[in-house]
Amino acid sequence: DAGVIQSPRHEVTEMGQEVTLRCKPISGHNSLFWYRQTMMRGLELLIYFNNNVPIDDSGMPEDRFSAKMPNASFSTLKIQPSEPRDSAVYFCASRGGDTQYFGPGTRLTVL
Amino acid sequence: KQEVTQIPAALSVPEGENLVLNCSFTDSAIYNLQWFRQDPGKGLTSLLLIQSSQREQTSGRLNASLDKSSGRSTLYIAASQPGDSATYLCAVVGDKIIFGKGTRLHILP
Repeated sequence: DAGVIQSPRHEVTEMGQEVTLRCKPISGHNSLFWYRQTMMRGLELLIYFNNNVPIDDSGMPEDRFSAKMPNASFSTLKIQPSEPRDSAVYFCASRGGDTQYFGPGTRLTVL
Repeated sequence: KQEVTQIPAALSVPEGENLVLNCSFTDSAIYNLQWFRQDPGKGLTSLLLIQSSQREQTSGRLNASLDKSSGRSTLYIAASQPGDSATYLCAVVGDKIIFGKGTRLHILP
């Protein structure tokens, strides 16, 4: 298996633009997590899905953030409109059993 | 509210030494605790997972312990190597998963 796949790996955009991050979990995993990592706040859970259903989105910072999982093999995290304080590395992870497997992350820079 | 603390934030030790990384948490109502490794510019790799009913787990040169009553976990690395240089994060899984900010480890050749 190729592991968790995220795209793009790097994204640079201007304030106000819409940003869409993509994730393909490991086949057979039924839980998917979106995280954000910054120097100041560390790694924070934004939202997680179980069997494609959002279970806990209490970590989503504001209404500008939204996440979807239309099927078991694909999820998106969208920020609209983006702001400079959204600059961070965004990780997707999927879970098999108790262990989470992380993707390589998307480094987002909002100018 | 669960809080997870890792001390020290950074650590440098000579190659070959044994070392201990610390993780403390405030709420003992957890399902499990996990240790991860993160290399620069990369995602996290799971190292060890300890269920709440367990006291320790071992994998190769790594040993992780869990003391729920005191809210502590340690990651012991034996005979450290330069390839062990990375950031090590612990994550506490209860109602939510909460990560510590990590310990940045540098093994000096």
